[in-house]
Amino acid sequence: NFMLTQPHSVSESPGRTVTISCTRSSGSIASNYVQWYQQRPGSAPTTVIYEDNQRPSGVPDRFSGSIDSSSNSASLTISGLKTEDEADYYCQSYDGSIPVVFGGGTRLTVL
Amino acid sequence: QVQLQESGPGLVKPSGTLSLTCAVSGASISNDNWWSWVRQPPGKGLEWIGEVYHSGSTNYNPSLKSRVTISVDKSKNHFSLKVMSLTAADTAVYYCARDPDGSRFFDSWGQGTLVTVSS
Repeated sequence: NFMLTQPHSVSESPGRTVTISCTRSSGSIASNYVQWYQQRPGSAPTTVIYEDNQRPSGVPDRFSGSIDSSSNSASLTISGLKTEDEADYYCQSYDGSIPVVFGGGTRLTVL
Repeated sequence: QVQLQESGPGLVKPSGTLSLTCAVSGASISNDNWWSWVRQPPGKGLEWIGEVYHSGSTNYNPSLKSRVTISVDKSKNHFSLKVMSLTAADTAVYYCARDPDGSRFFDSWGQGTLVTVSS
């Protein structure tokens, strides 16, 4: 099985742009879609990006997703940061042997 | 809009069995979706436990497979989780979630229920 590795934490100021990475340990990042979930304290996760770069309805276009085959990683970029974006973010993918793998999560602090 | 609601005991004893149910409303559990359980120990990340299809087909996380059973009850429009041989490490918030059409992501989540393993 593969693992997804994320930075434990990132911080940035309001109005700026932040990027959170998610590196796949084995197998190609491009072989299976990557999703991103936002989890605010005390709440269930919600999807902010699915299928690498698709936004569910209601998610602002400040959120975007991409993959980079050269680094075998996916990225979540949040532009125009707001204090309400402060949360934990999890990447998730899969392969033929295991339907769901989560990254360890990244705590975003907006200060 | 689909809604998911977990229910079950909040406190279970070590070596015992955890049993939770996820009630699905706003959608039929017999639609072309996979239904999952995900858990989150206090202060830690998300861990996928396993999933069930309305036919009864299941997939499990290899790290938990020997202790976990997930089943579906189409007549009640709900699905269930059992985890055996509990230890304190099983203390977590347990979420149920929907994978639409086997897309391999979750578009709907329950609010979660905290299960504490303690004597």
